[in-house]
Amino acid sequence: GENVEQHPSTLSVQEGDSAVIKCTYSDSASNYFPWYKQELGKRPQLIIDIRSNVGEKKDQRIAVTLNKTAKHFSLHITETQPEDSAVYFCAPQGGSQGNLIFGKGTKLSVKP
Amino acid sequence: DTAVSQTPKYLVTQMGNDKSIKCEQNLGHDTMYWYKQDSKKFLKIMFSYNNKELIINETVPNRFSPKSPDKAHLNLHINSLELGDSAVYFCASSSLGGSTEAFFGQGTRLTVV
Repeated sequence: GENVEQHPSTLSVQEGDSAVIKCTYSDSASNYFPWYKQELGKRPQLIIDIRSNVGEKKDQRIAVTLNKTAKHFSLHITETQPEDSAVYFCAPQGGSQGNLIFGKGTKLSVKP
Repeated sequence: DTAVSQTPKYLVTQMGNDKSIKCEQNLGHDTMYWYKQDSKKFLKIMFSYNNKELIINETVPNRFSPKSPDKAHLNLHINSLELGDSAVYFCASSSLGGSTEAFFGQGTRLTVV
């Protein structure tokens, strides 16, 4: 099965700084690489995803980069704002039928 | 027109009781999941169902049992509740066996006293 590692587990930045969270996976057959955001007391929701046929995808202040050779992908948040404070999860998928394993999460705190 | 809904949102019960949490999705997805989120915020997969067939069954106690009456529903039954079962339980669904966005229910906060 998929082995997913996510780093760092906690990240504290000043408002306006950038934040990077990295996710490594073990299943070379994985082909879908999403990032989910979970605000306090809420459900996890998809914020950005990428498929294995591209190396980078950007949506305003967030971006995801993929290195399939090294089996890792990263979430980049620029110009962080207090409302970016949340727990972020990666969940590489596609290698095994029905396998939806999440990383252990990264708690991002953005200080005003 | 909520995509994934689960009930109840809060559940407080005594040790030893049996309880159920219901989940329904109206997205036409063919795969549904149950996750346990503890105080450390880990999202631990418990079960997944694809077209009414159990395809993942993590090492959870057999006091927990999923029941899927049809493709749109995946309920979670818990027998003989223990203090350590206290957590937030999330239902989720996706299509194509997981290689697409997963949609989550609002969560059920279970407290065992």
